[in-house]
Amino acid sequence: EVQLVESGGGLVQPGRSLRLSCTTSGFTFNDYPMSWVRQAPGKGLEWVGFIRTKPFGGTAEYAASVKGRFTISRDDDKNIAYLQMNSLKHEDTAVYYCTRDRGTVPFVSPWGQGTLVIVSS
Amino acid sequence: DIQMTQSPSSLSASVGDKVTITCQASQHISKFLSWYRQKPGKAPELLIYGASNLETGVPSRFSGSGSGRDFTFTISSLQPEDIATYYCQQYDNIPFTFGPGTKVDIK
Repeated sequence: EVQLVESGGGLVQPGRSLRLSCTTSGFTFNDYPMSWVRQAPGKGLEWVGFIRTKPFGGTAEYAASVKGRFTISRDDDKNIAYLQMNSLKHEDTAVYYCTRDRGTVPFVSPWGQGTLVIVSS
Repeated sequence: DIQMTQSPSSLSASVGDKVTITCQASQHISKFLSWYRQKPGKAPELLIYGASNLETGVPSRFSGSGSGRDFTFTISSLQPEDIATYYCQQYDNIPFTFGPGTKVDIK
């Protein structure tokens, strides 16, 4: 059974950092690009970024709203994807979901259950 | 960035009704469009990819059509478990972008 479990969310002050983890099982992790999507309270879905697999360079792409502040990485030995969030702003408050991509199709099911990040002083 | 619009923003329908949601992209995206269902308090789930391909395990009452800029999502017979918000999403260009969502409830 494919499972993705996010962790690391919580309450953090503006300007501080937080690292989210997405622990996976049930599929060959290193074959899949991994994405992060967020959802502010009561709002719609926003793509945050994704990381390619190692054969495709293992590089990442980001939404303009987080570029330069957020970094996505992956540990193919541990089957974990990470989202390092620096210089956090109030507007980063959201539930953060990790997902995997299948070929050219992003965000296939199942998604993780999400982890809530609240940026507040 | 490609902007996605959806119509309507919300709707109420009876169990068994046919429900149709439309999605329009601000530029041509071929068939690089997905549809998601998000039940209250849950993570989204992929229903349709490539504009018209039903994801494995998804009930056949869901369907999608369209290409280019205009797309349609249909529930042929609304069920109580379909109370949710539905999102379209383009993956033709980075940044991937979602529509604002259509909230569906039971009349």
